[in-house]
Amino acid sequence: NAGVMQNPRHLVRRRGQEARLRCSPMKGHSHVYWYRQLPEEGLKFMVYLQKENIIDESGMPKERFSAEFPKEGPSILRIQQVVRGDSAAYFCASSIQENQPQHFGDGTRLSIL
Amino acid sequence: GQNIDQPTEMTATEGAIVQINCTYQTSGFNGLFWYQQHAGEAPTFLSYNVLDGLEEKGRFSSFLSRSKGYSYLLLKELQMKDSASYLCAVSDSGSARQLTFGSGTQLTVLP
Repeated sequence: NAGVMQNPRHLVRRRGQEARLRCSPMKGHSHVYWYRQLPEEGLKFMVYLQKENIIDESGMPKERFSAEFPKEGPSILRIQQVVRGDSAAYFCASSIQENQPQHFGDGTRLSIL
Repeated sequence: GQNIDQPTEMTATEGAIVQINCTYQTSGFNGLFWYQQHAGEAPTFLSYNVLDGLEEKGRFSSFLSRSKGYSYLLLKELQMKDSASYLCAVSDSGSARQLTFGSGTQLTVLP
């Protein structure tokens, strides 16, 4: 499967725990984007990364959220001390260049108990 | 900021044609994208318009008028599997890397 791979598909955490979401872009893509989709709402941009660099994190909450895209391995979106309001579907997308079509993974559905 | 509007829901009959409209207001413009999203699945890229006019791709076509801040997605020969949410997304020239999405139009195709 040469598409964007996200894992896990479903993640359950208790309030106060940490959530780690992983994304491997499509082969040949070096631009990675994270979006959040709340129930009954549209996709909201969170962060844009290239290898080892955060390019734009204007959509990411200032506290508890962080993202990385290391030289080796997948991109990671980390949410510390999760709260109920973090429950959402988190989608990763990748593109071959900026402003080229972004291709999405199947998402991680995060549920906070 | 950006504002993107599209109808919340539409219903059409199998075999018919449906047009889903999208209006947008942006400080700059660098392209408009349409995606299809089935419930619980990933958004799937359908089309990209950066110049005015009609882009045709099989049963799906997308139109753009930059002066009017307007686009539509046209679906022909509707099939039951076309029942999904259709997302309009805009990239503005100030932040070409991120897409701003509308809330989506839920299309239901009836037999």
